[in-house]
Amino acid sequence: GAGVSQSPRYKVTKRGQDVALRCDPISGHVSLYWYRQALGQGPEFLTYFNYEAQQDKSGLPNDRFSAERPEGSISTLTIQRTEQRDSAMYRCASSLVERDTQYFGPGTRLTVL
Amino acid sequence: AQRVTQPEKLLSVFKGAPVELKCNYSYSGSPELFWYVQYSRQRLQLLLRHISRESIKGFTADLNKGETSFHLKKPFAQEEDSAMYYCALFSSNTGKLIFGQGTTLQVKP
Repeated sequence: GAGVSQSPRYKVTKRGQDVALRCDPISGHVSLYWYRQALGQGPEFLTYFNYEAQQDKSGLPNDRFSAERPEGSISTLTIQRTEQRDSAMYRCASSLVERDTQYFGPGTRLTVL
Repeated sequence: AQRVTQPEKLLSVFKGAPVELKCNYSYSGSPELFWYVQYSRQRLQLLLRHISRESIKGFTADLNKGETSFHLKKPFAQEEDSAMYYCALFSSNTGKLIFGQGTTLQVKP
């Protein structure tokens, strides 16, 4: 079956622009997670959802970052007024239920110039 | 504090040699640990989950609560094992995975 998909795969933007990163989880998966991975580091948690409810956003670095999952399926991570330090790989994962194995998408490589 | 430490950024071995990728964790409570692998140009994928006690692609990992470790082992490395390996801890009170920094395994012919 189809795995987790993310789009775009690569995004280059100028400092100050807003970007929206999309995640399409495995069909039927209740939980959806966002992680950010800087070069040479492991993924770091940003936020997660069960269905459409955002359960934990403690990992979002500041209020320029937000996420939504309005219909409990596709999720969008939005970064407003991007800065160079936002450059990273953004990874999405989904799991059938909370506390189950997380399956990752291919990631979106964001570069802020 | 909840933390995962992978002390080696790079581990280089010859084909056929034993491999041990180290992982130590800090967690108050009963830990749930995973190994994820990322092959070149591919996505992160689950390799092992400690509660399933499986052996995948010849890899095993045993949870040692006394030493707070979850080292990944394989008796005979293959070239196709070359990849980035991440140890991760599931934080049950927050629902998130906490990853180590990763170890690149390079298996030379």
